[in-house]
Amino acid sequence: AQSVTQLDSQVPVFEEAPVELRCNYSSSVSVYLFWYVQYPNQGLQLLLKYLSGSTLVKGINGFEAEFNKSQTSFHLRKPSVHISDTAEYFCAVSDPGGYSTLTFGKGTMLLVSP
Amino acid sequence: DTAVSQTPKYLVTQMGNDKSIKCEQNLGHDTMYWYKQDSKKFLKIMFSYNNKELIINETVPNRFSPKSPDKAHLNLHINSLELGDSAVYFCASSLGERDTQYFGPGTRLTVL
Repeated sequence: AQSVTQLDSQVPVFEEAPVELRCNYSSSVSVYLFWYVQYPNQGLQLLLKYLSGSTLVKGINGFEAEFNKSQTSFHLRKPSVHISDTAEYFCAVSDPGGYSTLTFGKGTMLLVSP
Repeated sequence: DTAVSQTPKYLVTQMGNDKSIKCEQNLGHDTMYWYKQDSKKFLKIMFSYNNKELIINETVPNRFSPKSPDKAHLNLHINSLELGDSAVYFCASSLGERDTQYFGPGTRLTVL
């Protein structure tokens, strides 16, 4: 069985500061990894995904994430955040060899203030 | 040109009632899903359909019955609603079973 741990339930940060949202996973098989963003009262939007290949993945809105197999992590980073980045961020994992249902972490609320 | 749409956006109803939530995708995808997001924002898969066939049914009460009349639609019918059913329900779709999932805007269900 797979699981995802997002270590921080809330991350407050000032505008234009860098941010890292942490995600660790556990799985007995290889995985696909995803970050989704949920803006207030909206659905989920895919930020980026890791399927294979380069461990550094670039996504939309200036976000990137690095897959680290030895540390079973997939942390999300942005060098300079904007107020509009305030949202809930979800890390998710799926099994490449099975059905693609996503197992989500509990989410991290990114709060960007001026 | 909405990719995955859900109706209604909000649903308020009494305990014991039966209600349905509709989902439609115009992406030409073969696989559709229902997820439940609880009050703590935890997301959990409920069902997955591929080409109108049920392929995943997590431990969801029998009161929940998904129906897929065609590949573009996956509706969720809930019988005898309970307080604990209050949540946001998200529909999603993907091209195949292992492809990126695209989510609808969600339906906020409140059971009084």
